[in-house]
Amino acid sequence: SQELEQSPQSLIVQEGKNLTINCTSSKTLYGLYWYKQKYGEGLIFLMMLQKGGEEKSHEKITAKLDEKKQQSSLHITASQPSHAGIYLCGATPDAYSGAGSYQLTFGKGTKLSVIP
Amino acid sequence: DAGITQSPRYKITETGRQVTLMCHQTWSHSYMFWYRQDLGHGLRLIYYSAAADITDKGEVPDGYVVSRSKTENFPLTLESATRSQTSVYFCASSGAGGPSTDTQYFGPGTRLTVL
Repeated sequence: SQELEQSPQSLIVQEGKNLTINCTSSKTLYGLYWYKQKYGEGLIFLMMLQKGGEEKSHEKITAKLDEKKQQSSLHITASQPSHAGIYLCGATPDAYSGAGSYQLTFGKGTKLSVIP
Repeated sequence: DAGITQSPRYKITETGRQVTLMCHQTWSHSYMFWYRQDLGHGLRLIYYSAAADITDKGEVPDGYVVSRSKTENFPLTLESATRSQTSVYFCASSGAGGPSTDTQYFGPGTRLTVL
């Protein structure tokens, strides 16, 4: 089965600083999702990356997919207290081939704290 | 508002009791999912459903039962709750376009405590 390892497990940064969170897969990545979770709340969808070395940006968050490394990175520029939370990556087990491919595997999360 | 809702948001029950967690989505999404989130394990898939009356096991299905008589609802039942089922439960839904195009959207979660 596919496993996702996130690093670092936790991160404390000063407001305004840049940061990067990584998600490394034990298998080929076909689709990679990034979510953000605040304590006691559900997961908020950030971005989805497809196979092909894709890169996407939304506001100050950029996510990249490196197929060769089987890795995705999430980069936050000029962090703000509103960026604090737990960031989770999720991946599909294989290329779309039926219902089973909808079973996302998730990393254990990276807890981000932003100090004002 | 349209979206995905879960009820109750918090539940305390006793060992051996039956508990049902509700999930409702207004997008008419084909796929629905139940996950549990635990410290040290992250999110793990319990069951999922591709359409009404079609369900399948995920990674940790033991002790749980699901049904899907209507597209918009996907209840999760713990037939005889155990302390190991104390967790936060999340429901999610997505369209049928495939995991490379359709995002899974999550509900707010239900925090279940089994005493």
